[in-house]
Amino acid sequence: DTEVTQTPKHLVMGMTNKKSLKCEQHMGHRAMYWYKQKAKKPPELMFVYSYEKLSINESVPSRFSPECPNSSLLNLHLHALQPEDSALYLCASSQESGFSNQPQHFGDGTRLSIL
Amino acid sequence: AQTVTQSQPEMSVQEAETVTLSCTYDTSENNYYLFWYKQPPSRQMILVIRQEAYKQQNATENRFSVNFQKAAKSFSLKISDSQLGDTAMYFCAFMKPWYGNKLVFGAGTILRVKS
Repeated sequence: DTEVTQTPKHLVMGMTNKKSLKCEQHMGHRAMYWYKQKAKKPPELMFVYSYEKLSINESVPSRFSPECPNSSLLNLHLHALQPEDSALYLCASSQESGFSNQPQHFGDGTRLSIL
Repeated sequence: AQTVTQSQPEMSVQEAETVTLSCTYDTSENNYYLFWYKQPPSRQMILVIRQEAYKQQNATENRFSVNFQKAAKSFSLKISDSQLGDTAMYFCAFMKPWYGNKLVFGAGTILRVKS
């Protein structure tokens, strides 16, 4: 079983819908990440939260809005997405951001399809 | 900017045999970390092994070992006694400290273990 839990596992939505992806970890990690992964491609970093503050935004379009309500939870709010946003969205966590060799632990991902 | 290159898009190996996956990277940094992650069809990214650049000794984890050549900027993964469960996409990743634990991934190598 994964220690990083993502819900839902699958999501189909229209371009005008608003939905949210959820990520939860209970390992005491203080850094959390969102990645986007297209089929047979490596994950691409979207956002990094460190101690519940947004530390990295990789120039992600504003139709993706991250939120970190507490150190265990990470949300990704979706609005007015485009068909090219269909992908696997992975959440990860690690003990801390910055100078650290601690690896990132990944969830199973949410498979998102935009109609 | 750092880049990671995996020159083998696909590889196959017979069960119980040994296979080596290649990875090279480009960086001007002296202190960094390297990782191998596997992503089976179940899609969860799983850490296989990690290496600190300041350590000369090659990392090993059970059947998995690396050949880390810092001067050549090479970081290959050797899988011994291959098992069917090793079938997955393998990603080599580079991480530079002091930058939010950002992982730079290679393009990946699909490994198929045949019975």
